[in-house]
Amino acid sequence: DIVMTQSPDSLTVSLGERATINCKSSQSILYSSNNKNYLAWYQQKPGQPPKLLIYWASTRESGVPDRFSGSGSGTDFTLAISSLQAEDVAVYYCQQYFTDSFTFGQGTKLEIK
Amino acid sequence: QLQLQESGPGLVNPAETLSLTCTVSGGSISSSSYFWGWVRQPPGKGLEWIGNIVYTGYTYYATSLKSRVTISMDTSKRQLSLKLTSVTAADTAIYFCARHVREEARPCWFDPWGQGTLVTVSS
Repeated sequence: DIVMTQSPDSLTVSLGERATINCKSSQSILYSSNNKNYLAWYQQKPGQPPKLLIYWASTRESGVPDRFSGSGSGTDFTLAISSLQAEDVAVYYCQQYFTDSFTFGQGTKLEIK
Repeated sequence: QLQLQESGPGLVNPAETLSLTCTVSGGSISSSSYFWGWVRQPPGKGLEWIGNIVYTGYTYYATSLKSRVTISMDTSKRQLSLKLTSVTAADTAIYFCARHVREEARPCWFDPWGQGTLVTVSS
């Protein structure tokens, strides 16, 4: 299975500041034939199911604020929140869908300083 | 708006079978555009994919759970089901059902998700 490793495990950022979460895959999840990275990002708030934020590593889901952005390619990816809002407090997960054994990162807990 | 709702016993005895149902409303589950999956989350921990099914009945499962899992669907009732045999305390988790969006001819990301149901394995 492809192992997804996120860093850091937890992150404390001031309101209005930038937050960045990293996700590294144990093998490349870039499919050469279509030049797409098979990676999604989710946000999970307490007591709620995960919510899709980004797919294809950088395509924002409809309705997701544009302060959220995804980047990276191959094995290294980043989720950035440009100006942290109070409602962004959550755990964030990356997920690969390059293989038929879908795996998630361990999660990064984002809190307000 | 598509909605998914999990249901089933909240407490299962060790060594017995965990059985859950996911009812889909607001849309059809008989579409080649989607798979339907189960994902679990032990309390306070991360997400683990369990398995998927498509309306043709084709299924595939996580390697670590394959010997104990069965996923099926009843398209007339718009329901998915999950059965996990020989459960232990390690199977205690919130169980989510989710639509698995199909792109580039393969299942990709999960959206949307049900609210989840907590299943505790204990005597």
